[in-house]
Amino acid sequence: KQEVTQIPAALSVPEGENLVLNCSFTDSAIYNLQWFRQDPGKGLTSLLLIQSSQREQTSGRLNASLDKSSGRSTLYIAASQPGDSATYLCAVGGSQGNLIFGKGTKLSVKP
Amino acid sequence: EAGVAQSPRYKIIEKRQSVAFWCNPISGHATLYWYQQILGQGPKLLIQFQNNGVVDDSQLPKDRFSAERLKGVDSTLKIQPAKLEDSAVYLCASSSQGVNEQFFGPGTRLTVL
Repeated sequence: KQEVTQIPAALSVPEGENLVLNCSFTDSAIYNLQWFRQDPGKGLTSLLLIQSSQREQTSGRLNASLDKSSGRSTLYIAASQPGDSATYLCAVGGSQGNLIFGKGTKLSVKP
Repeated sequence: EAGVAQSPRYKIIEKRQSVAFWCNPISGHATLYWYQQILGQGPKLLIQFQNNGVVDDSQLPKDRFSAERLKGVDSTLKIQPAKLEDSAVYLCASSSQGVNEQFFGPGTRLTVL
């Protein structure tokens, strides 16, 4: 059974700092991995989708990497801003598209 | 392009009552998902539709939960009767095909008293 773990559970950083969020999964037989952002009381916003054949994806200040063999992904946020404060969720996609989520990392960026 | 629509946004009911949630996916998206997100947890898949057929409902508590997508477009998720542990956010998502990027609606926050 696939399990997804996100470390740390919470993170507080000063504005401008570069940071890394970690995601690990137990079964390397995944089709893709997706990173989401969730603001309080809101739904999920897709940030990056990495297909199983890819090593990384970039969007603006965000970069996500995938190492299937070791069961790990990282989300790198450059030059963090207070507006980046949210919960970040990692999810791995199976053969039929269903996503299995971690519990998330709650990020707080202090001005 | 309009996103995934869900209603209602909030619902408060007494235990043993029934409740229904509605979802309209992004136009043209064949795959529709319902997830349950309990406070402090990541979303958990309840049911996945491909057009109007069920692909995966292995984690749906079928004694009280039901879902349908009759015309392959919008979908309804029902709980009857509700239990205290059903208090959660119910998220609907859609994708153009099963293994493609999923887009989520704003969710329905259910409180069972």
